[in-house]
Amino acid sequence: GAVVSQHPSWVICKSGTSVKIECRSLDFQATTMFWYRQFPKQSLMLMATSNEGSKATYEQGVEKDKFLINHASLTLSTLTVTSAHPEDSSFYICSASDGGLNTEAFFGQGTRLTVV
Amino acid sequence: RKEVEQDPGPFNVPEGATVAFNCTYSNSASQSFFWYRQDCRKEPKLLMSVYSSGNEDGRFTAQLNRASQYISLLIRDSKLSDSATYLCVVNQAGTALIFGKGTTLSVSS
Repeated sequence: GAVVSQHPSWVICKSGTSVKIECRSLDFQATTMFWYRQFPKQSLMLMATSNEGSKATYEQGVEKDKFLINHASLTLSTLTVTSAHPEDSSFYICSASDGGLNTEAFFGQGTRLTVV
Repeated sequence: RKEVEQDPGPFNVPEGATVAFNCTYSNSASQSFFWYRQDCRKEPKLLMSVYSSGNEDGRFTAQLNRASQYISLLIRDSKLSDSATYLCVVNQAGTALIFGKGTTLSVSS
């Protein structure tokens, strides 16, 4: 199956710093990438949808100025958590799609962010 | 009403048991349906797609009832390795997957 690589797999940062997470589709062109966040014992919650070459669409309650998403190419999307705070500590995971119906979504390995 | 609802469990069953999970979805326009499996601190992995005619893959059987907006997953002859969280997932073409909260299964020897 298709491979999506997410990096880093875990990161610990100080409060107030910014963290960039990369999501790459290695063997297909991802016209759309999705960013999710999962808190302990909760479901994956969609944060934003990014389409290559256009601005991301954010879900209600997700601050676009805090969670900067860039999808500059068909194989790379990045999520930057700006001025991170302890409440941003979570499991962030991306998935990539070629936009078709009934196609499996391919997930990155996830990034566990801990803000101290 | 949440878009995708599942009984969170946990379901604690002995090896060899048969266990069934149910899921309901609210958006009648949903077009694709899946069961994903997620192990602790890992990304979700596709277990199986769910088709209107029902489908089976080894010990796993998935069924879809569009009229009732209901999806089910049946696991027969449970193994220890089946212990995980099972996520019910729906979507429409070109949109993000919508995840249920997941049902936790614990299989014991």
